[in-house]
Amino acid sequence: QVQLQESGPGLVRPSQTLSLTCTVSGGSITLGDYHWTWIRQFAGKGLEWIGRIYTNGSLNYNPSLKSRVTVSLDTSKNHFSLQLRTVTAADTAVYYCARDIVGPFDTWGRGILVIVSS
Amino acid sequence: SYVLTQPPSVSVAPGKTATITCGGNNIGDKSVHWYQQKPGQAPLLVIYYDNDRPSGIPERFSGFNSGNTATLTIGGVEAGDEADYYCQVWDSGRDPHVVFGGGTKLTVL
Repeated sequence: QVQLQESGPGLVRPSQTLSLTCTVSGGSITLGDYHWTWIRQFAGKGLEWIGRIYTNGSLNYNPSLKSRVTVSLDTSKNHFSLQLRTVTAADTAVYYCARDIVGPFDTWGRGILVIVSS
Repeated sequence: SYVLTQPPSVSVAPGKTATITCGGNNIGDKSVHWYQQKPGQAPLLVIYYDNDRPSGIPERFSGFNSGNTATLTIGGVEAGDEADYYCQVWDSGRDPHVVFGGGTKLTVL
């Protein structure tokens, strides 16, 4: 059974770049018709989709974050990554990686809290 | 941008039926997915493509989608069903992206 695990710094300074990695275990990231996705959740509980990457490199981003986001895939390491540039306190959230089975997200990581603060 | 509207809270007595709505313009033309989230946990998919259940989700969970409202129904509610519930669709507009509803807190009385 596929499992996802987020990793990265839990504290990022304002104006810096937030960088997270999601490691996929229990299966190859290139196997199957999946998109690999980043989602975040604010303290007030709302969920926000950030973006996704397909195994052929095809990308989709949330229009509201598009100018600051890059999602990438490293098949040799069986992981995918998120970069969010020029962060502010409003980017403080729990960040989840998830597997998109052509619509719904059937597998999620446990989430990682990222705080933006000086 | 497409908007999904959920009631902030729903309360139900144990053994009764809970109904959680998700409103959106012509949402019946889209596929709706539902997630359950308990405190400190990641969301869990409970209904996908309007009314399909993933393996391991009880038959008490069902969904319906038509017109401007999608509905998640939980029959014979148990204390363990108390959680936040979110609906989700794919907005295939000019800039395709995923949209989540604001979430509904289900309280079991």
